[in-house]
Amino acid sequence: GQQVMQIPQYQHVQEGEDFTTYCNSSTTLSNIQWYKQRPGGHPVFLIQLVKSGEVKKQKRLTFQFGEAKKNSSLHITATQTTDVGTYFCAGPSSGGSNYKLTFGKGTLLTVNP
Amino acid sequence: NAGVTQTPKFQVLKTGQSMTLQCAQDMNHEYMSWYRQDPGMGLRLIHYSVGAGITDQGEVPNGYNVSRSTTEDFPLRLLSAAPSQTSVYFCASSRTGEGYTFGSGTRLTVV
Repeated sequence: GQQVMQIPQYQHVQEGEDFTTYCNSSTTLSNIQWYKQRPGGHPVFLIQLVKSGEVKKQKRLTFQFGEAKKNSSLHITATQTTDVGTYFCAGPSSGGSNYKLTFGKGTLLTVNP
Repeated sequence: NAGVTQTPKFQVLKTGQSMTLQCAQDMNHEYMSWYRQDPGMGLRLIHYSVGAGITDQGEVPNGYNVSRSTTEDFPLRLLSAAPSQTSVYFCASSRTGEGYTFGSGTRLTVV
């Protein structure tokens, strides 16, 4: 079955440093989604990427979808303590529709103030 | 607009007991899913539904049943609880082309 892998599993940074997490799928994806889960909370949808090579920005967060649509990355510039949490990528397991998502295991980001 | 509501928030069961985790959404989303989250395992899909009356198995369906009699509700039933089912359970809903809205979760302990 489809596998979605994320690296690194953990990342600890000093406040102000940059952070990047990478997501790789065993199959070509029609789209990829990113979620953030704060400690003790629930996943919150951040963004969906659809097009090959697509780059989207949300303030200090930059999301990229690979040209082959099998990988993606999330880059945070100048991390803040509010960025702490686990970041998950997810892709559809069945065709192009999102009714069945496979999640990566996530990257836990901790930020030292 | 409450989003996705899960009840209860916490539950302790004895091995062999059964229970139903409730999930309701008020966004008229056609897709609904149940995930379990265990340390180091990410989110694993238990069951999902693409509309009222239609359900299917996800990655880890054993020991769980679901039904979707209405668009709004998607309960998850544990048939005979086992310690391996100790986990955090999330219900989520979505519509075509959009991201999922998750509930706040149910923390289940089976002793």
